Formats: sequence, structure tokens, C-alpha cells
Amino acid sequence: DTGVSQNPRHKITKRGQNVTFRCDPISEHNRLYWYRQTLGQGPEFLTYFQNEAQLEKSRLLSDRFSAERPKGSFSTLEIQRTEQGDSAMYLCASSLGTSGPSYEQYFGPGTRLTVT
Amino acid sequence: AQSVTQLGSHVSVSEGALVLLRCNYSSSVPPYLFWYVQYPNQGLQLLLKYTSAATLVKGINGFEAEFKKSETSFHLTKPSAHMSDAAEYFCAVSDPEEGNNRLAFGKGNQVVVIP
Repeated sequence: DTGVSQNPRHKITKRGQNVTFRCDPISEHNRLYWYRQTLGQGPEFLTYFQNEAQLEKSRLLSDRFSAERPKGSFSTLEIQRTEQGDSAMYLCASSLGTSGPSYEQYFGPGTRLTVT
Repeated sequence: AQSVTQLGSHVSVSEGALVLLRCNYSSSVPPYLFWYVQYPNQGLQLLLKYTSAATLVKGINGFEAEFKKSETSFHLTKPSAHMSDAAEYFCAVSDPEEGNNRLAFGKGNQVVVIP
């Protein structure tokens, strides 16, 4: 068990380009979360999956954002037509279950996106 | 909706002195509460959590926090600061009655330890 991994760790892109990030959760974890963290702020919830089903999306997730989790394993977060306001750290977390100690979320190192 | 408030974005503490980080929550139901630590260029690591059992919770690295319902608080303390405690600390809340277990974070406290 190597923990939650995210790739790439850093991404610099030009405004208007599309970007895709990947998150590999802890292998037996059925829940996967995406958060966004801007400078000087705490992480903000974006969306989460239970296995392959995307069960909730925050209003922060505009139409330019899409997330998938095929086969309930890794997840991707795509941002289309990036804007400078999308510059942030994108964090992924996974958890084993929905109640008791198993709901604890384990975070990956994040992908830092810079839109120029 | 649940929320937490952390005052004072930057906290300076002398090495060996008490570390005290304040967190107040707002929740319509008994919440779950968490403290996370984030080191530079790393993800968040759970320090400790309150899930309606003992109100005094002990975590890793010598940290502890006390849940006080009457004060809607969950302040984090460590008796003696170490240089390695320099990091950013986040308080977070979740609603155990919701199915999503999503976390709502405070703005964080950047802790600087002065030798």
C-alpha cells in the first residue's frame, strides 16, 4: 500500500488549453474525493465517487470540469478551456467506507496547476 | 451546512512553548471534527479526529484536541513546540448524517516555530 498518488505533480498550461489530472487511490478504497485548494485557503470539496458512480458535484465544478472513475479504480479530473482562476492545487483523497473509522480520508500530494 | 472558523492565519510560537490553534465550528447536528497538517508540497495528513466518543482526543506527534459542545470549539494543542511542527494546520468538519462524508475546511493556520 503506497498511499494515494496523483499525477502530474505540477502542470503549467496556457489559458484556453485542456488539462487532465489522474488520481490513484488506495487499492481497496471505494470512495474517492476531489478537492481544490487556492493560495491561503483551505481545500474545498469538488466531487466524490462511490466506486464508479459520481454521487455529488459541488457548485464550484463548472461545466468546464469533468471527472470520471472508470471501473471504480483510478479517477481523472479534466478541465477544458482553462482560465487563470483555475490555478490551484487539486487534491485527491480516498476512503474505505462510509461510517466508523473506515471513513477517514487519505490525501494524495496534489497536482499544482498554473494557468498562464 | 457545516463550517469551521480558524482565526489568525499565521501563528508564531517559540520552540518548547505551548502550541494552541483555535477552531470553532458551526453545525446543525453533532459533527465529526478533524485536524490535518500539511507540510510544503505535500498532501494533508490526519493529526486527530473526534467522532462522538471521548471529548479529549489524542493524535500523532504529541497533539491533542478537546471537543467542547458548549463553546462549539475543537482547539488543537501541543505542550511543547518542536521545529518540525512548522507547517500549515487545517481544522475540518463533516456531517455524519450526510452520506457523502465530505469535509469542510477552515482557512488554515501557518505555524512558524522560532528557535
